[in-house]
Amino acid sequence: DAGVTQSPTHLIKTRGQQVTLRCSPKSGHDTVSWYQQALGQGPQFIFQYYEEEERQRGNFPDRFSGHQFPNYSSELNVNALLLGDSALYLCASSEPSGRAKIADTQYFGPGTRLTVL
Amino acid sequence: AQSVTQLGSHVSVSEGALVLLRCNYSSSVPPYLFWYVQYPNQGLQLLLKYTSAATLVKGINGFEAEFKKSETSFHLTKPSAHMSDAAEYFCAVSWEAAGNKLTFGGGTRVLVKP
Repeated sequence: DAGVTQSPTHLIKTRGQQVTLRCSPKSGHDTVSWYQQALGQGPQFIFQYYEEEERQRGNFPDRFSGHQFPNYSSELNVNALLLGDSALYLCASSEPSGRAKIADTQYFGPGTRLTVL
Repeated sequence: AQSVTQLGSHVSVSEGALVLLRCNYSSSVPPYLFWYVQYPNQGLQLLLKYTSAATLVKGINGFEAEFKKSETSFHLTKPSAHMSDAAEYFCAVSWEAAGNKLTFGGGTRVLVKP
């Protein structure tokens, strides 16, 4: 059973560019969340997708946007990249629940390391 | 505002010694609590979670944690450290009003000395 997968593994961009990161959830999972983990810090919640809609959003600017596809995979897009966007971007999926259960376990992928020069 | 604090960004233990990682939360409502481990260049793996059942929670790899409401704490312990326990550990919480998004502490890096 494949776990959460993310692509690419590493990415190098320059300031002002745009980037798209991809995530495939664990088999049977329908909810996808994205987190940003800056070096030496804990992950911070960006947003969560369920039924192809953004269900929750953290304190991130509109430059961060996402999408969920009918097969539950998801993309994270970041426009007008800043140096401060350099981080490990983690995708997590959780079990189908209809409505998100508070204690649902989130399963994390290996992340995409984004470097902005 | 609700928050999570992990005391000590780095902890060094000898192989075979007790591992104790501290986590305190600030919340006016009962939280759900999680401990995750992150090995170098990998994602996060769930060690254990507290969901208002037993206050002492047993997880994988010999770890356990105790929820103490009076102290707003959820410290992680392992009686005997192994070299393979060297990693970064994150405490996280979720609250009813916040759906199931996780709020993480800053992490504690564990070094195990032979």
